[in-house]
Amino acid sequence: QVQLQESGPGLVKPSGTLSLTCVVSGDSISNNNWWSWVRQPPGKGLEWIGEIYHGGNTNYNPSLKSRVTLSVDKSKNQFSLKLSSVTAADTAIYYCARHFGYSHDSWGQGTLVTVSS
Amino acid sequence: EIVLTQSPGTLSLSPGEGATLSCRASQSVSSSYLAWYQQKPGQAPRLLISGASSRATGIPDRFSGSGSGTDFTLTISRLEPEDFAVYYCQQYGTSPPRYIFGQGTKLEIK
Repeated sequence: QVQLQESGPGLVKPSGTLSLTCVVSGDSISNNNWWSWVRQPPGKGLEWIGEIYHGGNTNYNPSLKSRVTLSVDKSKNQFSLKLSSVTAADTAIYYCARHFGYSHDSWGQGTLVTVSS
Repeated sequence: EIVLTQSPGTLSLSPGEGATLSCRASQSVSSSYLAWYQQKPGQAPRLLISGASSRATGIPDRFSGSGSGTDFTLTISRLEPEDFAVYYCQQYGTSPPRYIFGQGTKLEIK
């Protein structure tokens, strides 16, 4: 049974960089899967941030593309998100998820990141 | 960019009743690319339906998906207390953004 676990600072200062890692267990990140980050501002809907393949190929949401970097560490079976120049609008629960076809079948529990000084 | 509009915004029903949730796309979407999720407070989304009509592993058969083109429906027959949650539809696109979510329908107990 695959499990995903997000980790990283829960508080980031405005203009700083948000950095999160998703550790995968029960599945190899090198299997034929893409892996995504999705965020959800408190009380609001879901927004897809981007996806990464184990080979390093990435696709980003155009609305965030200039500030987002995804990376993968196959040796640690994990992938990571960096979001730069954050503002209060980036305050959200951040989820990592595994792709299943054209959907996401396994999700982390989510981690709340607050942007505040 | 395709926009997914879900209706109604909130649906108030009683346990045992049936629920019909709608997801309308601004352009035609391949059925293969349409999914539905359930999200309960404090929890991550849970995949219910992929490919517009295929139930995910472990999903009860009271959940069913249908539709094509621009109109898709999630139907829940005989609502159970645990079914009251927020439901999102999601579309995969061949150009970024790869995944777009609807704004959600809140299914609440009447």
